[in-house]
Amino acid sequence: GAGVSQTPSNKVTEKGKYVELRCDPISGHTALYWYRQSLGQGPEFLIYFQGTGAADDSGLPNDRFFAVRPEGSVSTLKIQRTERGDSAVYLCASSPIRKVPGSGANVLTFGAGSRLTVL
Amino acid sequence: DQQVKQNSPSLSVQEGRISILNCDYTNSMFDYFLWYKKYPAEGPTFLISISSIKDKNEDGRFTVFLNKSAKHLSLHIVPSQPGDSAVYFCAASPTSGTYKYIFGTGTRLKVLA
Repeated sequence: GAGVSQTPSNKVTEKGKYVELRCDPISGHTALYWYRQSLGQGPEFLIYFQGTGAADDSGLPNDRFFAVRPEGSVSTLKIQRTERGDSAVYLCASSPIRKVPGSGANVLTFGAGSRLTVL
Repeated sequence: DQQVKQNSPSLSVQEGRISILNCDYTNSMFDYFLWYKKYPAEGPTFLISISSIKDKNEDGRFTVFLNKSAKHLSLHIVPSQPGDSAVYFCAASPTSGTYKYIFGTGTRLKVLA
């Protein structure tokens, strides 16, 4: 597609429920990222995929959070046993093949985000 | 521990004047710095970047200045336009990777017509 598409745009759920957030990256972008933006904060890194594999998941806050990208395109962020503190905007971004460090900034293109509210 | 700081949560500027948005960082190993702009209900969009080997990068009305000794960068917008009203985030990339950007908390710019 022309841009990064995220669904749903809004999700309201109850504490303890399971949630899935979907990201459809720009066609041809091999790198995909999930960030989380809490109220009054900047985006915070969660996980990075290069192709189908999670190259770096060090930003996932705990084991209730999991993300997959089975065919190297669409990705799903999964949150189990949601808590009120999980309420945030979850941003997905994609970029072309990751540049070799030192060769230039890697510009991420973000989607509009999925706003998650846990009651 | 906030490694990237934007100490001004908001800024108002008259149309046609210069807007200066500031960003400070603590990690001297950051290699690249980016500015993103965010409108309500949209994702952040890339604006301009600068490498740590430069002290200035210009793109049209937007110029980013980097002062490595002070660990400070600034974004200048001149002349400011009402359409520039948005939240601006600076982001820094550690040398260990070029994807794990650390973002500041943002500055909301309002350009008054």
